[in-house]
Amino acid sequence: GAVVSQHPSRVICKSGTSVKIECRSLDFQATTMFWYRQFPKKSLMLMATSNEGSKATYEQGVEKDKFLINHASLTLSTLTVTSAHPEDSSFYICSARDREGRVTGELFFGEGSRLTVL
Amino acid sequence: AQSVTQLGSHVSVSEGALVLLRCNYSSSVPPYLFWYVQYPNQGLQLLLKYTTGATLVKGINGFEAEFKKSETSFHLTKPSAHMSDAAEYFCAVSKDSWGKLQFGAGTQVVVTP
Repeated sequence: GAVVSQHPSRVICKSGTSVKIECRSLDFQATTMFWYRQFPKKSLMLMATSNEGSKATYEQGVEKDKFLINHASLTLSTLTVTSAHPEDSSFYICSARDREGRVTGELFFGEGSRLTVL
Repeated sequence: AQSVTQLGSHVSVSEGALVLLRCNYSSSVPPYLFWYVQYPNQGLQLLLKYTTGATLVKGINGFEAEFKKSETSFHLTKPSAHMSDAAEYFCAVSKDSWGKLQFGAGTQVVVTP
């Protein structure tokens, strides 16, 4: 199946700093990527839909200025957590659909990035 | 609007026993249905999916699920649990192949020797 890669897998930062997480589709082009947030022992919460070459679409309750999403190419989307605070600590997961997935609806997920804000 | 309900946040099964994870959905249109598995500190991996056609779908690792429209269910089963099946399982629904996936709360499976 298609491969989606995230980097970094783990990051620890100080409160007030910004952290960037990258999501890459390695063997296919993804015009759309999705960013999810997962709290411990909880389900995935969709944060935003990242669209190549245009602005991301954020879900209700997600702060656009807090979570900056850039989808500058067909294989790369980035999530930047700005002025991070301890409550932003979480597991962030990106996903995308390849050509077949646009027919079947299947999403391919990255490995996830665990952010810890001290 | 669509939603997904997974009955039971934790399931404990003996090795070799049947695994049954329940998923019910609500959708205003015929849904696309998925089961994903997540191992600790990893992303999600697709187990199986239903889009159209045969209502009994087989997936990886011996899992299968049956779409029952009348019951709005998509329960996941495996005849014989293996220790490696210990993980978190998520049921998800989408209204079409382009739509957003809505996930259930997840079911943690523990396999005992």
